[in-house]
Parts: sequence; structure tokens; C-alpha cells
Amino acid sequence: KAGVTQTPRYLIKTRGQQVTLSCSPISGHRSVSWYQQTPGQGLQFLFEYFSETQRNKGNFPGRFSGRQFSNSRSEMNVSTLELGDSALYLCASSTGTGLEYIQYFGAGTRLSVL
Amino acid sequence: GNSVTQMEGPVTLSEEAFLTINCTYTATGYPSLFWYVQYPGEGLQLLLKATKADDKGSNKGFEATYRKETTSFHLEKGSVQVSDSAVYFCALSDEGYGGSQGNLIFGKGTKLSVKP
Repeated sequence: KAGVTQTPRYLIKTRGQQVTLSCSPISGHRSVSWYQQTPGQGLQFLFEYFSETQRNKGNFPGRFSGRQFSNSRSEMNVSTLELGDSALYLCASSTGTGLEYIQYFGAGTRLSVL
Repeated sequence: GNSVTQMEGPVTLSEEAFLTINCTYTATGYPSLFWYVQYPGEGLQLLLKATKADDKGSNKGFEATYRKETTSFHLEKGSVQVSDSAVYFCALSDEGYGGSQGNLIFGKGTKLSVKP
């Protein structure tokens, strides 16, 4: 079974631009969560999508948004990039239900904002 | 709100040494607890988990027991190997809307280096 796939692996953007990151979950998984990882703040939850609906949201500004498609693939978008948005963005997928709720992570997209 | 505190690293050990990485949590309700490992340049891999008090999670020689009375989930391994060098994250599931657990709260991570 293929794992969680994130594309692209690396991105370089300049301040003020916008960026879209993609995540393909494990087949059969309906939940996709996004996290930001930085050396200073560690791993922080951005949002979770389940069956095309945002189910949970972290404490990030509105510049960060996401969506999920009918095939469970998800994208996140960051508009008006700031230097502080430089980070590793991790996507995780899970079945989204049940007690055995395990999140499986992709390798991440490393975003550098210049 | 819910939170996770784990010991700061880095931790440097010799091969075959005993490993303990402390993790304590603050939570309302009954969260599930996890240890994830991150190797250089990679995403997170689930190492082990426990879903209720007194559960012991184990995998690849690593163990951790869900202690509700001390709100702890310390990671242990009896004999580390060079290949165990990585960053280890303790995490808890934060129950969100509709009972979902799609929000993991992580500790800051502990970098482990094992020398031959």
C-alpha cells in the first residue's frame, strides 16, 4: 500500500507570493491533517479535513487555508507569504474514525520564503 | 489547554546504553498518547501508542506505559543502537469536533545521538 505522498518536496518563494502544497493520503483514508514544523515553534496543527469538510482548525491566520477533494487528496494554500512561513509542512492521513486513530505522515514539503 | 512536555535534548549515548526520554502531559478527558520518530530529511513515523491508562505500547525494543496518576508516557529502550539516532516526539490526541482526534499536540522533540 502506498504511503502518504506530498508534493513538491521543496519550494522556494519570495515574500508576498502565494503557494499551494499537495497531499495524497493512503488509499481508503478519509482524514487529512496538516502541520507546520519550525525549529522555534515545533510541530503545530494547522487543520484537518474529513470527507471534504474542515473538521478542526488550529490557531493560524486566515492566510492559511486548505481543501479536500472527493478522492480525499488535499491541498493547502498560503497567501501573501511572510519570512516566518518558512517551515516543513507535514501532511498526515488516517481513517478518521474509531478508537485506533493513527495518523500516518508524509515526508513533508520544505518551504523557504526569501 | 492540552499540552505535552518532554525532556530537552540533545541526548548522546553509547551503543547498548539504556535510554529514557521523559514525557508528561496535561489534558482533559482521556487522550491517546503516541511516540513518533523523525529521521533526518524524513517525515514522522509512528513508533508506539497507548489509548488508555496502564496500556503499554511497544515496538522495535522501545516501550512506554500510559500512567494517568503521574500524567506521564516515558519512552524507554534497554539497549540503543546507532540506527536509533533520530528525533523523538511525544504526542497526544486532542479531541476535536464530533469526537475526532485529527489534532495531535506534540512535545518539542528530543534529539538522540548514539555513538558506536
